[in-house]
Amino acid sequence: QQQVKQSPQSLIVQKGGISIINCAYENTAFDYFPWYQQFPGKGPALLIAIRPDVSEKKEGRFTISFNKSAKQFSLHIMDSQPGDSATYFCAARNSGGYQKVTFGTGTKLQVIP
Amino acid sequence: EAGVVQSPRYKIIEKKQPVAFWCNPISGHNTLYWYRQNLGQGPELLIRYENEEAVDDSQLPKDRFSAERLKGVDSTLKIQPAELGDSAVYLCASSLGGPGRRFTGELFFGEGSRLTVL
Repeated sequence: QQQVKQSPQSLIVQKGGISIINCAYENTAFDYFPWYQQFPGKGPALLIAIRPDVSEKKEGRFTISFNKSAKQFSLHIMDSQPGDSATYFCAARNSGGYQKVTFGTGTKLQVIP
Repeated sequence: EAGVVQSPRYKIIEKKQPVAFWCNPISGHNTLYWYRQNLGQGPELLIRYENEEAVDDSQLPKDRFSAERLKGVDSTLKIQPAELGDSAVYLCASSLGGPGRRFTGELFFGEGSRLTVL
């Protein structure tokens, strides 16, 4: 059962452009929404995260936009650089139990010069 | 500070053979996870440990997979016998948290063990 739906599957952006990755969820028990970045041959690493009581969070060139009513959130990468080429996963943490983190299917981003 | 260490990085085996993966989490992290990542997919939780107790193993195929975390530090994930469909990257992660401590939500992953079953 896929609880976090992510799109697009792949994305090609020119250097300096804006990369946008979207995620949607159904489970209203999710209370924390991290994004992970994964380079080839490496494990995922936390990039940025947001809580549902905030509509936007910005860290450098990376911004999360969160729409609680629509149960959607997105990652925006401004001024995309070739070094941003990686696979990005959205995720969601369950507020109950052992606070399980569920990942989306990933978006492979390629930033071309 | 050392990160999560996994070994081996790569393993190629024939189907029906056994295989084992080892993980050493970040010092002080009492929560340890094993995830499986199929090609082009996100990580999927296999098992989660709080110290030496397996608290969530609902997604672990118990007929062929087993895991242990002796002394609440290192962990081993075993597959016996391996099947073609087990080919994937097995990721170990650790985090702060556990009984009495709120999980921050950040998982620290190792580089993974890539398994190919022929």
